[in-house]
Amino acid sequence: AQSVTQPDIHITVSEGASLELRCNYSYGATPYLFWYVQSPGQGLQLLLKYFSGDTLVQGIKGFEAEFKRSQSSFNLRKPSVHWSDAAEYFCAVGTTGNQFYFGTGTSLTVIP
Amino acid sequence: DVKVTQSSRYLVKRTGEKVFLECVQDMDHENMFWYRQDPGLGLRLIYFSYDVKMKEKGDIPEGYSVSREKKERFSLILESASTNQTSMYLCASSSAGGRVKNIQYFGAGTRLSVL
Repeated sequence: AQSVTQPDIHITVSEGASLELRCNYSYGATPYLFWYVQSPGQGLQLLLKYFSGDTLVQGIKGFEAEFKRSQSSFNLRKPSVHWSDAAEYFCAVGTTGNQFYFGTGTSLTVIP
Repeated sequence: DVKVTQSSRYLVKRTGEKVFLECVQDMDHENMFWYRQDPGLGLRLIYFSYDVKMKEKGDIPEGYSVSREKKERFSLILESASTNQTSMYLCASSSAGGRVKNIQYFGAGTRLSVL
């Protein structure tokens, strides 16, 4: 069965430090991959998506993610975290069978 | 600017009550979705609709029903609310062509407490 795993429930980083949030998926073919962010009290907002082509994708707010087929991963990165990045981050996977799955989320805390 | 509006941010209801959660989108999207969000479980799809009066069950439809009489509005109904339906409910919409590739736009959510 298809699944999405975000192994880190909660991450704390210092402001200005780099960030990497992990996402692994289980799917036989190349999936459609997404990262969403949910700020406190808000709905989810799309950060970036990967469908095909260049495996390094750029998103909004300075985020990027890299699709690694060999590792079934789509990790989210940011070189320098800002306090406003504190939020919950969700990885999501879409399949050619028209299924769509969210991970369980990673909560990010940014300390001054 | 795209907008998905959920009518209530917070709701408190009693066990056995009939509860309506309303969602309106102004993007002329064909697809609309209702999710439930619980800590440690992420988002789980309850129902989705790909056209007016059309609906499909998601992963956890039990205890819920939906209504889509107009393109812009999608309602989630709890026929007889129970305490295990206390949760955050998120509505989303996307353009036509399936729910896999199209970006979903989310409302701010309704936090429902059933006492």
